[in-house]
Amino acid sequence: NAGVTQTPKFRVLKTGQSMTLLCAQDMNHEYMYWYRQDPGMGLRLIHYSVGEGTTAKGEVPDGYNVSRLKKQNFLLGLESAAPSQTSVYFCASSFTGTATNIQYFGAGTRLSVL
Amino acid sequence: AQSVTQLGSHVSVSEGALVLLRCNYSSSVPPYLFWYVQYPNQGLQLLLKYTSAATLVKGINGFEAEFKKSETSFHLTKPSAHMSDAAEYFCAVRQTGANNLFFGTGTRLTVIP
Repeated sequence: NAGVTQTPKFRVLKTGQSMTLLCAQDMNHEYMYWYRQDPGMGLRLIHYSVGEGTTAKGEVPDGYNVSRLKKQNFLLGLESAAPSQTSVYFCASSFTGTATNIQYFGAGTRLSVL
Repeated sequence: AQSVTQLGSHVSVSEGALVLLRCNYSSSVPPYLFWYVQYPNQGLQLLLKYTSAATLVKGINGFEAEFKKSETSFHLTKPSAHMSDAAEYFCAVRQTGANNLFFGTGTRLTVIP
């Protein structure tokens, strides 16, 4: 059972470079989320999607873009990476957006921006 | 505004001892509360959730948590710690109509043999 798969697992970028993080889920979930995890700050929501073709801003969206062209995939893009974007990025998905619905997380992508 | 406070960024217990990880929430309306566990180099896994059905919630791996409205708390406990419980634990809150979880800063649990 794959669940939520994130690629790549690790990446090092130079300031100003761009990259895309891929999240794929095989559970037919409608909702998908991108979080970042920083030391001492817990997880913070970057962007989310309530269905194919939709995206919305979360708590810390600046410097990131997302796309949900297919229901099973949610891409997170950094157009011009900055050292402040050094973090661990987690993707999650849930069947619905109700408050009680469980979010399932991927294993994370560790990104360093030099 | 809703938020979650986890007291103690690091907790150490001896194997077989009681585990108590603290979580207090701030919310204007009764929230839905979750505990997630993160093992090294892995994503978060749900331990248990409170959805207003019962104040004492039992989760996986012998963990449970009690919702106390008067104390705005949702502390996580386990009667006897096992070495495999060593991980980081996150408390999270979500309210009806909200699209995301608000996470606490996490508590790293160390189990001493």
